[in-house]
Amino acid sequence: QSVLTQPPSVSAAPGQKVTISCSGSSSNIGKKYVSWYQQLPGTAPKLLIYENDKRPSGIPDRFSGSKSGTSATLGITGLQTGDEADYYCGTWDTSVSAGVFGGGTKLTVL
Amino acid sequence: QVQLQESGPGLVKPSETLSLTCAVSGHSLSSGYYWGWIRQPPGKGLEWIVIISHSGSAFYNPSLKSRVTTSVDTSKNQFSLKLSSVTAADTAVYYCARYISGYDYMDYWGQGTLVTVSS
Repeated sequence: QSVLTQPPSVSAAPGQKVTISCSGSSSNIGKKYVSWYQQLPGTAPKLLIYENDKRPSGIPDRFSGSKSGTSATLGITGLQTGDEADYYCGTWDTSVSAGVFGGGTKLTVL
Repeated sequence: QVQLQESGPGLVKPSETLSLTCAVSGHSLSSGYYWGWIRQPPGKGLEWIVIISHSGSAFYNPSLKSRVTTSVDTSKNQFSLKLSSVTAADTAVYYCARYISGYDYMDYWGQGTLVTVSS
């Protein structure tokens, strides 16, 4: 059972938009920055979004992040088949002084 | 460009100690930042294990703390993970990464190494 809650799976057609939610609590998302990671099949996770809504160099603006209260959302527009991956949210939990991840969401582009 | 590379035995016997090293290039560990370990059991999600600073300050996943030892060797520009009393549940791909403290994200990751616990 992960500290951060994500839907196990989401799907959408190519070209469409999808959102992935990440729900936490006042001891983690409510107080700290949220990051998002993309894990393509068979590869290491890659940083997609940091500090709630910032994109590292090289990440297209089709990917966006937002945070409100104790929840965060990853948005992906103009879906491509290459976006099929597992997506994880992460943050710091002040109640245990350690990092935490969501359980991950598998994105399928139909 | 910061690069990280995990190394260590791919097979560990139950009750023994898992030992991994992460070699860092493109950045001197003595310059700062925290460095961390994350694992992913086959077919499952990511689990945060521990982060350690260049000066040795560390923060642990409470569920693993009693079995985890971590250290930094600035002379070799590498850091390490030891996990004691392993069981089959510790079978996972182990990743090392650079952690940005205060902003709470991991920006550079190693490719990961699979460790199987089996007799």
